[in-house]
Amino acid sequence: DAGVIQSPRHEVTEMGQEVTLRCKPISGHDYLFWYRQTMMRGLELLIYFNNNVPIDDSGMPEDRFSAKMPNASFSTLKIQPSEPRDSAVYFCASSFGRQGTDTQYFGPGTRLTVL
Amino acid sequence: AQSVAQPEDQVNVAEGNPLTVKCTYSVSGNPYLFWYVQYPNRGLQFLLKYITGDNLVKGSYGFEAEFNKSQTSFHLKKPSALVSDSALYFCAVKGGGATNKLIFGTGTLLAVQP
Repeated sequence: DAGVIQSPRHEVTEMGQEVTLRCKPISGHDYLFWYRQTMMRGLELLIYFNNNVPIDDSGMPEDRFSAKMPNASFSTLKIQPSEPRDSAVYFCASSFGRQGTDTQYFGPGTRLTVL
Repeated sequence: AQSVAQPEDQVNVAEGNPLTVKCTYSVSGNPYLFWYVQYPNRGLQFLLKYITGDNLVKGSYGFEAEFNKSQTSFHLKKPSALVSDSALYFCAVKGGGATNKLIFGTGTLLAVQP
């Protein structure tokens, strides 16, 4: 199994530009999660999907952030326009099965730097 | 509200000595508890979890954790530390109810000296 795949691994952009982060979950998993990690705020859950449907987006910081999951094997997290304070490592994770007992498996992350 | 506390930002231990990384939680209902490890510039890797059953849970790389309901704790342990265990360790909790969210602690940096 290839695990959770994220692209790009590194992204450097300028303030005001649109950024799109991509995630391919583990095949067969029905939950997908987007997290952000910073030194100041630690690991934060942004949004999660079940069967491609957004379930909880209460962690999305503001309207500049949006996430989609058009099918079971692909999700995007978009920031438009980007700001320097969005600089962080963004992780995607996926899991399968029974609520509350399923283990989340994380991708390697995308390190975003907004200049 | 669900919460997790990792009271130590850093734990230092000599190679070969036992190690403990502490975690306490607050949750309504039965807790589901997890430990993850993060090596530099890598994603989080699952170590072990407690759902129900035996209070002592064994996981990857020789780690184990003890669930203590009365103390609401889930401390991570290993009998003999290795230099390669040096990493950032996260405790997480998922409470009862409809949510599938994991609430993560702030992380504890484990440094194992040779």
